[in-house]
Amino acid sequence: QVQVVQSGAEVKKPGASVKVSCEAPRYPLTNYYVHWVRQAPGQGLEWMGVINPGGDKTRYAQNFQGRVTLTRDTSTSTVYMELSSLRSEDTAVYYCARQSLGRVRFFDWLPLGSFDYWGQGTLVTVSS
Amino acid sequence: DIQMTQSPSSLSASVGDRVTITCQASQDITNYLNWYQQKPGKAPKLLIFDASTLETGVPSRFSGRGSGTHFFFTISNLQPEDIATYYCQQYGNLPPTFGGGTKVEIE
Repeated sequence: QVQVVQSGAEVKKPGASVKVSCEAPRYPLTNYYVHWVRQAPGQGLEWMGVINPGGDKTRYAQNFQGRVTLTRDTSTSTVYMELSSLRSEDTAVYYCARQSLGRVRFFDWLPLGSFDYWGQGTLVTVSS
Repeated sequence: DIQMTQSPSSLSASVGDRVTITCQASQDITNYLNWYQQKPGKAPKLLIFDASTLETGVPSRFSGRGSGTHFFFTISNLQPEDIATYYCQQYGNLPPTFGGGTKVEIE
């Protein structure tokens, strides 16, 4: 069973940044596109962005353009999501999700498909 | 962005019942549609991809159908462990978007 592990909960003040990590120790994320999705308390799921296996291409949701940065350390297959200029509305659980190697639809360089394994989620609380 | 409208937002049914959730896309997404199950305090889990293909290991009481703009998700024999919120998600266009979710409860 693939287990995707994220870093622990964070408490940040408004205006600060947060960086969350994501890895799959037994089944490295090396060859996978990795997405980030967030869920505000009691709310639905919101896609934030995706990074390619090489770590040199990203695509972000319009709502997060300029505030989110996805990176990956290819030597450890760890993926990172950094969100800056935090505000109270960013309080949410942040998930990373591995994209399946199955059927995809291409958008320029990005093959988009389903998300087959998810991390356990990282609660980020933004409060003064 | 493609809007995904799920209905109902919640439902209550008895063990053994057949329940169906509807998901409507604001534009044609062919069959680029996934269904996820999310239990309280847990991450979503992929149940069905490409509108109707069951993910490996998912019980056969779960099924999906549809194409274009109208999609349906059915649990044919509701079990207590199926208590969860279910989400549809399209990948027919960027950005991928999710429905608002349907909370399934046992009567």
